[in-house]
Amino acid sequence: EAGVAQSPRYKIIEKRQSVAFWCNPISGHATLYWYQQILGQGPKLLIQFQNNGVVDDSQLPKDRFSAERLKGVDSTLKIQPAKLEDSAVYLCASSLDPRDRGQETQYFGPGTRLLVL
Amino acid sequence: AQSVSQHNHHVILSEAASLELGCNYSYGGTVNLFWYVQYPGQHLQLLLKYFSGDPLVKGIKGFEAEFIKSKFSFNLRKPSVQWSDTAEYFCAVIPSNSGYALNFGKGTSLLVTP
Repeated sequence: EAGVAQSPRYKIIEKRQSVAFWCNPISGHATLYWYQQILGQGPKLLIQFQNNGVVDDSQLPKDRFSAERLKGVDSTLKIQPAKLEDSAVYLCASSLDPRDRGQETQYFGPGTRLLVL
Repeated sequence: AQSVSQHNHHVILSEAASLELGCNYSYGGTVNLFWYVQYPGQHLQLLLKYFSGDPLVKGIKGFEAEFIKSKFSFNLRKPSVQWSDTAEYFCAVIPSNSGYALNFGKGTSLLVTP
């Protein structure tokens, strides 16, 4: 079974530039999550999708971050414009259906490491 | 504020030593509990999880965790660590009244020396 795919793996940009990250979840997984992991911290949820609808985006800085999941499969996370404090690893995860016991396990991708200069 | 606390940020053990990593949470009500591990250069992966039933949960690679409701704790244990257990360990909680996203602690970095 193929895992969660993310690209790019690394990105270096200057502040005020824009950047986009892509995630392809495990086939058949309805739920997709984007987490931000700042150095020395645990991952923090940015946004959660159930199919192509948003379940939770309460911690997404909506003035600069946006995300979409067209057709309920792939997802893109965008930052525009980037700030220094956005330097972090951006993790994508997917699960079958978190509401069903046994299908709630989240599988993580390798992450995209972003450095904003 | 609701949170997940991992008491040890860095742990160094010799091979064959016993391991216990602490995790406490401050969410009320029913919670689902997880331990994730990230080996060097690899993805985050699930070690074990607790939803209900027997509070002693066994996971992969000889790890186990005990849920103590009265202490709001979910400590991870392994009787005898190996060099290959060197990794970052994260405790995570899903409160029952949430949208199912994981709330992570800051992680514990474990180094096992030969």
